[in-house]
This record gives sequence, structure tokens and C-alpha cells, in this order.
Amino acid sequence: GAVVSQHPSRVICKSGTSVKIECRSLDFQATTMFWYRQFPKQSLMLMATSNEGSKATYEQGVEKDKFLINHASLTLSTLTVTSAHPEDSSFYICSARGGPGRVFGQGTRLTVV
Amino acid sequence: ELKVEQNPLFLSMQEGKNYTIYCNYSTTSDRLYWYRQDPGKSLESLFVLLSNGAVKQEGRLMASLDTKARLSTLHITAAVHDLSATYFCAVEKSRGGGADGLTFGKGTHLIIQP
Repeated sequence: GAVVSQHPSRVICKSGTSVKIECRSLDFQATTMFWYRQFPKQSLMLMATSNEGSKATYEQGVEKDKFLINHASLTLSTLTVTSAHPEDSSFYICSARGGPGRVFGQGTRLTVV
Repeated sequence: ELKVEQNPLFLSMQEGKNYTIYCNYSTTSDRLYWYRQDPGKSLESLFVLLSNGAVKQEGRLMASLDTKARLSTLHITAAVHDLSATYFCAVEKSRGGGADGLTFGKGTHLIIQP
């Protein structure tokens, strides 16, 4: 079945630095990729929708200059957390439509120290 | 604004018992999803419900959808310890054409005691 590969699975970075998270669709083309954030013991919240070849659409309250999304090809979308702060520490998950359902990446645990 | 309410949020039950998790949503939707999440892991797809009256079963889990009532249920039959996890329902906004992001319920943290 459809698989979305997300890397890295875990990352620790210093406050003020930037971190890039990659999501690749394997064996299928993902015109649209979704990025979610999940804080501990909470639900998933949609951050943004990325469309191949165009600008991402951000949900209300999500800073587009802080969370840079690039979807340069039909199989790769990236999320860059710029100038990360401890409050950005979270579990980030990407997702794409694979068939009738949605396929989720393995998630990235970001810890900002 | 689409809202998804899930209940209960926490459920502790004994093995062998039956129980139901409920998911209500506020506006018309084309699709409803159920996912399982284990601690520290991403989401595992359980069911995709696409139409009114849809019922799907996999092992001890059965999901149903009533679009008129805007209600989906996830029924657990004869629970076993391995089903302990957090279960989320999620709804896709019905904007017509193209894929939309999902709105998730808060999740049901299920603990099944031996």
C-alpha cells in the first residue's frame, strides 16, 4: 500500500536554530501533503496544506514565516521550523491522500533545548 | 468551523467486555476516519467511512457512520489487552473537489485491564 516516509524520527536542536523535516511519498505521487502538530497528550492539529508547485496554505494562528513549507516535487514535501524555541517542541506528522484514505508519516519528535 | 467531539476521552475496561466510542461532528462531511495511536508512534489507519450507513469491521473493532445524525461509533467487542491505545476519529471538510486536511477529535485513551 501507499507509504509516506518521514525523516528524521527524532531531532534535538538548540534554541534559535532551524530544523528541516522531510516527507516522501513512496510509490505514489502526492499532489497535496498535510502537516500536523501534536503536543503531548493532545490531539493532532492541522498546521498547513502544501500543494506541489504552489504556496502552502496555513491554518489560522500558524506563522508561515516560522514554519516554512516547500513542496517542490510530487513526492517530497519539507517543513522547516525556523528559529526554533522550546515551545515549538512537539510531534510533527505529515500526511498524504493514498487511495480512499490518508497515509501518515512516522512522525518527527522535535525537542528544542 | 468544523468541530469533532469524541467521547469518552478516557476509558478503562476489563478484558472480555464490550464498549463503544462515539464521535460527533458539526457540519456535513464526505469522509470519516478512525485511527489508532500507540504511545510515541504515528497514526495507524483503522477505518475509512465514506457514506451514510457504512459499517466496517476488522477483528474486534467495528465502525459505523450515520451522516444524518453526524455520528460515528467505534465498537469494541470482547476487548483484549492489545487494543489498549488512543483512538482518534477525524473528519474531512466537505468543500468539494480536492483533498482537505482533517479535523481530529480529542482522542479516547483506552486502557484494557487483564
